[in-house]
Amino acid sequence: AQTVTQSQPEMSVQEAETVTLSCTYDTSESDYYLFWYKQPPSRQMILVIRQEAYKQQNATENRFSVNFQKAAKSFSLKISDSQLGDAAMYFCAYRRAYGDDYKLSFGAGTTVTVRA
Amino acid sequence: NAGVTQTPKFRVLKTGQSMTLLCAQDMNHEYMYWYRQDPGMGLRLIHYSVGEGTTAKGEVPDGYNVSRLKKQNFLLGLESAAPSQTSVYFCASSSGIDGKRLYEQYFGPGTRLTVT
Repeated sequence: AQTVTQSQPEMSVQEAETVTLSCTYDTSESDYYLFWYKQPPSRQMILVIRQEAYKQQNATENRFSVNFQKAAKSFSLKISDSQLGDAAMYFCAYRRAYGDDYKLSFGAGTTVTVRA
Repeated sequence: NAGVTQTPKFRVLKTGQSMTLLCAQDMNHEYMYWYRQDPGMGLRLIHYSVGEGTTAKGEVPDGYNVSRLKKQNFLLGLESAAPSQTSVYFCASSSGIDGKRLYEQYFGPGTRLTVT
């Protein structure tokens, strides 16, 4: 199974400021997908952003953007203009591009606290 | 369109008791997954199914069984519950993948299970 590592158990950010969450992964594949999921206190898993490994351009979704460094196997998430509603646990996940299962491998998660 | 639903939302079991968790999806998805979430470990795959009538083991299958008799339902069974199975269980579904197109996994709201 692929290993996904999130080295920051907790991060705190002031409202309206920027926070960056780190994620590294281990794989021998050249084609794959990476995701960031948000889990608020409601427990619901919400897809925030996705990145295809074959695309060099970093994905962006409104205030959320990623820094994808394929050679370094690094996939960080930047939350800009942080809002109180961004407070949640964030999971990085990896998925193979080919195969017959397409299951996700998750990191341990980073809890983000937003200070008003 | 309810998406992915899970029954029950909460359950307390005594050691040795059995139970079945039901996952249902109304999106006609081929792929379904069962994950467990434990503090500091992210989500780990228990079992998955790539179509009606098929099941396969994931990362942590011991102590669990699954069945996919109907395309829309994926059942997770605990034959003899143990305290180590205290966790939050998530079901997810996906339509799979077609070439370079990616179909995301949609998650249910989770089931919190406590085994005493």
